[in-house]
Amino acid sequence: ETGVTQSPTHLIKTRGQQVTLRCSSQSGHNTVSWYQQALGQGPQFIFQYYREEENGRGNFPPRFSGLQFPNYSSELNVNALELDDSALYLCASSPGGQLPTDTQYFGPGTRLTVL
Amino acid sequence: DAKTTQPTSMDCAEGRAANLPCNHSTISGNEYVYWYRQIHSQGPQYIIHGLKNNETNEMASLIITEDRKSSTLILPHATLRDTAVYYCIVRVATGNQFYFGTGTSLTVIP
Repeated sequence: ETGVTQSPTHLIKTRGQQVTLRCSSQSGHNTVSWYQQALGQGPQFIFQYYREEENGRGNFPPRFSGLQFPNYSSELNVNALELDDSALYLCASSPGGQLPTDTQYFGPGTRLTVL
Repeated sequence: DAKTTQPTSMDCAEGRAANLPCNHSTISGNEYVYWYRQIHSQGPQYIIHGLKNNETNEMASLIITEDRKSSTLILPHATLRDTAVYYCIVRVATGNQFYFGTGTSLTVIP
């Protein structure tokens, strides 16, 4: 069974650019959540996709957008990058999407640096 | 969302039990308590979760008070590899979103 994978591992962009981060969910999982983790902070929920539909969103501006594909992999897109977007971006997958006992399994993250 | 309060940091001697407390006084009756840990700059790792009964797995034990306002994660025999930030999370009942706090930084001392 393959776990959650993310690409790329590291990324450097400049302010104003756009970035796409990718996540492959664990086999059998149909729900993907994205989190942003700034240095020294806990992960902050960005949004979640369940069966290709957005299923909840945290307090992030519209320039953070996402997509989930039929194979349940997902992309996180960030437009008009700002310096404060520098963070570790984490993807987590879970099997059911709605059950209160669904456990999320995290990938290793993508480290984004905005210069 | 129910908030959690955890100590910022703790130390534990190698081989001893590590007891990590968490307060969640506003938890609702159908909200679960989850624990994750994060070793430096890696993705968070699931440890255990529970509703109201005590739970145990191969990694840890979770003790939830009868009023459910607090819980304790117990690592029975801490090793150096248990050094990490431990997050206590109350899982919202109506969705699948996790809201992390700043966690407890546990250092296991040789």
